[in-house]
Amino acid sequence: RKEVEQDPGPFNVPEGATVAFNCTYSNSASQSFFWYRQDCRKEPKLLMSVYSSGNEDGRFTAQLNRASQYISLLIRDSKLSDSATYLCVVFSSNTGKLIFGQGTTLQVKP
Amino acid sequence: DAMVIQNPRYQVTQFGKPVTLSCSQTLNHNVMYWYQQKSSQAPKLLFHYYDKDFNNEADTPDNFQSRRPNTSFCFLDIRSPGLGDAAMYLCATSRDIGPGGYTFGSGTRLTVV
Repeated sequence: RKEVEQDPGPFNVPEGATVAFNCTYSNSASQSFFWYRQDCRKEPKLLMSVYSSGNEDGRFTAQLNRASQYISLLIRDSKLSDSATYLCVVFSSNTGKLIFGQGTTLQVKP
Repeated sequence: DAMVIQNPRYQVTQFGKPVTLSCSQTLNHNVMYWYQQKSSQAPKLLFHYYDKDFNNEADTPDNFQSRRPNTSFCFLDIRSPGLGDAAMYLCATSRDIGPGGYTFGSGTRLTVV
């Protein structure tokens, strides 16, 4: 079983749509959670951290459910520029490393 | 601007011919990482250096080696590249071991022919 699992998609949505991505992780000792964005053939870039109480950054909302070991990312009012792969990332202090999911690809169409 | 620079952006090598990928940083970070990312897969950590201390992941093939001659530079050596080693190789840095503050280079895309 992969340590971090995501539905690879692709998710094809029209501009203005709301889309949600999910992620599950297997290490219950995981402590920190992130969403990274990766454009085609580019490096991953931090999109946002995910906090237990949930957090929002503009059109992006991240949620964490520790009991279910589940993380989500909601994108409202999708823009063409949101087209990318979104990587769910988990950090555990017992391993001391970031573990990446394979990513969910989003394609926003006009 | 402080950053992580990888050279070259694209590298083509022959099957079995040793190849070296380069990473440099101006951030003065203690930790440097090498990740391998194959198409449509998650970045996979190969190894990292904390200062001069080398930490190899258990499942990293012996074919992959690394050198960090000083704080600024880190190299990935692939001794005998196979077709399965074709991937994007990402270098990242962080000030310390921890969840945040990672800076990634733009990657080197390796093709093996």
